[in-house]
Amino acid sequence: DIQMTQSPSSLSASVGDRVTITCQASQDISNYLNWYQQKPGKAPKLLIYDASNLETGVPSRFSGSGSGTDFTFTISSLQPEDIATYYCQQYNKTFGQGTKVEIK
Amino acid sequence: EVQLVESGGGVVQPGGSLRLSCAASGFTFDDYAMHWVRQAPGKGLEWVSLISGDGGSTYYADSVKGRFTISRDNSKNSLYLQMNSLRTEDTALYYCAKAASGSYSYWGQGTLVTVSS
Repeated sequence: DIQMTQSPSSLSASVGDRVTITCQASQDISNYLNWYQQKPGKAPKLLIYDASNLETGVPSRFSGSGSGTDFTFTISSLQPEDIATYYCQQYNKTFGQGTKVEIK
Repeated sequence: EVQLVESGGGVVQPGGSLRLSCAASGFTFDDYAMHWVRQAPGKGLEWVSLISGDGGSTYYADSVKGRFTISRDNSKNSLYLQMNSLRTEDTALYYCAKAASGSYSYWGQGTLVTVSS
C-alpha cells in the first residue's frame, strides 16, 4: 500500500503569513492527490483536487502543486478562519497524518 | 442539494457487531462510488472502504478486511457498513462520503461508534 507522509504535524503562523505543508507519497501517484480542510467538530472539506485544481468556491489564497511523489499545499496569506487541520489524500484511499494550523 | 445522513452508531462490546447506514439524496446515487472514512477521537482520517456505483466492486483497508462489509441498495439510495468482530481500536466517528473522480466532494456529519466493555 502507498503511504502518505505529511509534514509538519503542526505549525503556528501569524495572520498574513505564507504557510506551506508538504506531502510525500511512498511511490509515484502522478497528480492523484487531494487536500482537505477540517475544522473542529466538522466534516472535512475538499479544497484541492488533482494536486493543483481549486474546488469551486474555495478562496484563491489556497493552492497546491506537485506530481509524482512530492506535493505542496500553500496558504498565501493566512486568515483567522483558516485555523484547521489539513490533510492530503491519495485518490480514494490513504490520508496523510494531518497538519494542525494555529495562529501565533 | 446533496445530503448524506449516517445512522446506526452506538456503544458495543468488543467482539460485537453493528450496522451503519448512510441515506443519500440530491444526486443520482448509482452513478457514484461511495466510501466510508473514520476518525478516532483526536486522531486523523482513515479510509475504510469503497464500493462502486453498481455495487460490483468493493475494497477495504487492511485494518478492517475480513471483518467489515460494505454494501449499497441503489433502490433505496442507501449505503451500509456491516461491522463484525469489533475491536476497541474501531472506536471512531464514521463518515460516508460521495466520491467523484477520486476526491470526496460531499461528506455526511458522521455517526459515532464506541467499542468498549
